[in-house]
Amino acid sequence: KAGVTQTPRYLIKTRGQQVTLSCSPISGHRSVSWYQQTPGQGLQFLFEYFSETQRNKGNFPGRFSGRQFSNSRSEMNVSTLELGDSALYLCASSLDAQRGKNIQYFGAGTRLSVL
Amino acid sequence: TQLLEQSPQFLSIQEGENLTVYCNSSSVFSSLQWYRQEPGEGPVLLVTVVTGGEVKKLKRLTFQFGDARKDSSLHITAAQPGDTGLYLCAGDQGAQKLVFGQGTRLTINP
Repeated sequence: KAGVTQTPRYLIKTRGQQVTLSCSPISGHRSVSWYQQTPGQGLQFLFEYFSETQRNKGNFPGRFSGRQFSNSRSEMNVSTLELGDSALYLCASSLDAQRGKNIQYFGAGTRLSVL
Repeated sequence: TQLLEQSPQFLSIQEGENLTVYCNSSSVFSSLQWYRQEPGEGPVLLVTVVTGGEVKKLKRLTFQFGDARKDSSLHITAAQPGDTGLYLCAGDQGAQKLVFGQGTRLTINP
């Protein structure tokens, strides 16, 4: 079974631009979560989608948004990029198991550099 | 505010030594997970602990969940260079939301 696939693996953008990252979950997984990883803040939760609906959201500004398609694939968008948005963006998928058994499988991430 | 405090942040030891990584919180979690992440890759799940007091073993790795489900530890026996990596603990707050510790960057020197 293929794992979580994230594209692209690397991106370089300049301040003020916008960017879209893509995530294909493991087949059969309906929940997709996004995280930002930086050396200073570690891994921080951005948002989670299930059946094309955002169910949970972290403490990030509105410049960060996402969506999920009917095939469970997800995209996240960051508008008006800032230098501080440089990070590894990780996507994780899960079966949406019952509470207490939330096993998420991560992709390799997209490394975004904002110049 | 970091809900999960992981310590130490950095650890460099010689091959064959033992080590323990701690993950502490004032919050109760329904489960706690340990991941290992290597450069250029996403975190890979090592284990999930669910029951207070639970102990799980994975070869030379022993994971323990505190009785109150607020803390956890990872103990590695006879560390090997292949154990080098970033170890992350993550608490499950429900609704597919994981809260991660800052991570422990472990280096095992041959």
